[in-house]
Amino acid sequence: AQKVTQAQTEISVVEKEDVTLDCVYETRDTTYYLFWYKQPPSGELVFLIRRNSFDEQNEISGRYSWNFQKSTSSFNFTITASQVVDSAVYFCALSDNNAGNMLTFGRGTRLMVKP
Amino acid sequence: DAMVIQNPRYQVTQFGKPVTLSCSQTLNHNVMYWYQQKSSQAPKLLFHYYDKDFNNEADTPDNFQSRRPNTSFCFLDIRSPGLGDAAMYLCATSRGRGGYNEQFFGPGTRLTVL
Repeated sequence: AQKVTQAQTEISVVEKEDVTLDCVYETRDTTYYLFWYKQPPSGELVFLIRRNSFDEQNEISGRYSWNFQKSTSSFNFTITASQVVDSAVYFCALSDNNAGNMLTFGRGTRLMVKP
Repeated sequence: DAMVIQNPRYQVTQFGKPVTLSCSQTLNHNVMYWYQQKSSQAPKLLFHYYDKDFNNEADTPDNFQSRRPNTSFCFLDIRSPGLGDAAMYLCATSRGRGGYNEQFFGPGTRLTVL
């Protein structure tokens, strides 16, 4: 069965620190997709990135970067030089054929960035 | 801007009193989803529509129903809300059902049951 584990329930950092959010997934499918979403206090889930299982290239978007490693079934998310506006709950999610291509979410990691 | 809109943002209802939450989208996406999210938990899929085709998750209580009268609108009906149904309800859309389709979420409706 598919499963997403975000072991870090809550992380607190001081502004300008770098922070990495961990995500480990399980799936039997060879084709699958991984996502990160951000949920600020307002409640809306904001799409950040999608990665397919055939593309292990790391990606950088501004202060955000993602490290996808199939060997360890991990898809970690790093924020460089964190800012107070980064404070949110971050969800990692998996989509594969076993779940009818529906999203399986991790439990989320709450990131608090203090000034 | 193309978007997913949910109304109202906050809804208060009484125990057992039917309530309807609404969602609309300007993205012209084929798929619309309803999720329930309780405090400090991940969103849980209740059901989704692929066009007019309704798909219920196996563990979604019968108390929850949905309607999609057209492409743009989707409603969540809770027939007899209980205290345990207090949660954030998130609507989402995607172009298709394939796993490569990211879902776009609305701001949510926070439901309080008194």
